[in-house]
Amino acid sequence: AQSVTQPDIHITVSEGASLELRCNYSYGATPYLFWYVQSPGQGLQLLLKYFSGDTLVQGIKGFEAEFKRSQSSFNLRKPSVHWSDAAEYFCAVGLTGTASKLTFGTGTRLQVTL
Amino acid sequence: DVKVTQSSRYLVKRTGEKVFLECVQDMDHENMFWYRQDPGLGLRLIYFSYDVKMKEKGDIPEGYSVSREKKERFSLILESASTNQTSMYLCASSLTGIQPQHFGDGTRLSIL
Repeated sequence: AQSVTQPDIHITVSEGASLELRCNYSYGATPYLFWYVQSPGQGLQLLLKYFSGDTLVQGIKGFEAEFKRSQSSFNLRKPSVHWSDAAEYFCAVGLTGTASKLTFGTGTRLQVTL
Repeated sequence: DVKVTQSSRYLVKRTGEKVFLECVQDMDHENMFWYRQDPGLGLRLIYFSYDVKMKEKGDIPEGYSVSREKKERFSLILESASTNQTSMYLCASSLTGIQPQHFGDGTRLSIL
C-alpha cells in the first residue's frame, strides 16, 4: 500500500532563513505528488503539484519542490521564509485510477521566529 | 476560484445523536471527499464519492455514512455520535482523474 512519510513533526526557522521540509513516499508506480499548507483554523491550500516532466516544480508563495525518484522524495523548499509562512504543511501522493484519492503525510508544523 | 463550503465551523453534539455535516462545492466537480484530521495522524479519508449517488469507503468508514443526492452536495452522517468522533472534519472536491483537491475550511466537531 502507498504511504507518505514526513519525518519532521515540528521545525523552527528564523525569518529570512531557508527552509526545506522533507517528504518520502512509498508507491510502486510513478506518483502524483502534492504539497498543501494549512493555516490555523483553515482548510488546506494547494502549494504545488508534480505530475510528470520537469522534476523541479514551482508553486505559489515562493515555494518549490524537487521530485527525486531515486530517493523517493519530494522535498519542499523556500529560499527565504517569512513570518506568514508559519503553518502546517502536508505532503500527499495521488493514486492512479482511483478517482483522485490522496494519501497524506502526518504533517510538519513550521514555526518562524523573528 | 473553487469554493467548497462546509455548513458549520464549530458544532457541539451529544453522545448518541445523529449528526449531519454538510458540504457544497460550486465548480461542478465529480469527486468529493470527507476526511477527519487529528493531531499527529494527518488527514484520514472517511468516504469519497465519484458521482451522484456513488460512494466508496475510505480508510476509516466505521461509524459514518454519506449521502450524495446532488452533484454539488456531499453529506457526512454520524449515525450515533461517540466521543471518539470528536475531531476536525474536512470536505474536499476535485475534477475527475488525478487532480488537486480543493478543501473547505473544516468543521470542528465536539461530541460530549
